[in-house]
This record gives sequence, C-alpha cells and structure tokens, in this order.
Amino acid sequence: DGGITQSPKYLFRKEGQNVTLSCEQNLNHDAMYWYRQDPGQGLRLIYYSQIVNDFQKGDIAEGYSVSREKKESFPLTVTSAQKNPTAFYLCAAGGDSSPDEQFFGPGTRLTVL
Amino acid sequence: SQQGEEDPQALSIQEGENATMNCSYKTSINNLQWYRQNSGRGLVHLILIRSNEREKHSGRLRVTLDTSKKSSSLLITASRAADTASYFCARKDTGRRALTFGSGTRLQVQP
Repeated sequence: DGGITQSPKYLFRKEGQNVTLSCEQNLNHDAMYWYRQDPGQGLRLIYYSQIVNDFQKGDIAEGYSVSREKKESFPLTVTSAQKNPTAFYLCAAGGDSSPDEQFFGPGTRLTVL
Repeated sequence: SQQGEEDPQALSIQEGENATMNCSYKTSINNLQWYRQNSGRGLVHLILIRSNEREKHSGRLRVTLDTSKKSSSLLITASRAADTASYFCARKDTGRRALTFGSGTRLQVQP
C-alpha cells in the first residue's frame, strides 16, 4: 500500500448523514484520486486533483465532495445526496509523471445502516 | 468514459500452470497498465506498457499490446497459490489525466 494511508478502515453511516473519508500521502505526488469499487466490479473515478486547491469531477461525482488544501491530503465527503453509498473506497496518488503508475491506499469500506 | 472489458471474469487453474487474462478497449491510449488486488485490499501496480510497445516482461509476467486490435493480455507463468487475486487492466486514454479501469479477472490458483 506504499505511502498512502486511508482512515477509517471500516465506516458505518446512517441514512441522511454526511461522512468524511481521510486520505494522506507522503509520496510527494501532485495528483491524487478517489475511486469507488462495488462488489465484483472494477474501479470508477469519483474525483481527482492534479494540484493543491484544484480538483476535477470524475465519472461518478454526484453526491460526493472533496477538498485539496494540502499536497498530502485529499479527503472525500460522502453526502446524504449519494443514494447508494455502500461501497469500497480507494484513494490513489501518482500518475502525474513518468512512469505514470498510481499508488493505492488500503481502502475504506463504507456501509450504510 | 467507457470501462474496458476483461475476460475471463474468473479463472481457476492449478499451481504451476500459466494464466492468461485479456483486456479490450475502444479508445486511443497513451499507455495501458495492469494492477493486482488481493481481496479487500488496495491495488498494486504490476506493469505498464506504452502505446508504441508491443511486449514487456517483468519476472513471471508478460504483457502484450496490440493497438490495431485495441487489446492487451497479461500472462502469468508458473503460477503460485500466492498469485490468487483480482487483476485489472487500466488504460491512460489520450487527453485524459486519470486512468480508466476494466472490470477485472478473478484468478484462483489451486495448490
């Protein structure tokens, strides 16, 4: 899992609540990403950030928000507007320079009660 | 953007056999990457092949890329029980900053 930490490992949310997932990296990469993975599926891009104070919507951004105030940190908030938030969330960094690979954190499993 | 297609979706082999996974796509790419995911864990980068390359090797891994057919394959030779995992292809589309992941192949290597 390299130099990327995600917390918590497991998160339970009641309907109507906002929750924030933490992602921190010490790899000094400018670019960071959030992906969602549903059971037996591939990864879908939620948001990405190429540099501090800038971020772009991915393919499934509705119901999510992010911030990038520091290079090391890229937290993801799952809002009450996300109707089906139960999933495995993965944060990644890298892909902003050769050799273009991304480094992933261990993931956060979010369950809506 | 379209996710890539991978096949087979699941593959079960005996230790020592070779495992081949395929990835197809419809876009123009800069590179294609393969990642491994153990159950409930993050992804680990295995190998990257650029659009102007046809084949790359890394240890027991061999990746091929055919841009005319828009397809790639990952071959794991002499498989081990520890190779049991899900394998994903991820492409870097031209003009897109983020990766697009395929649906994955679940590999089970029986000891």
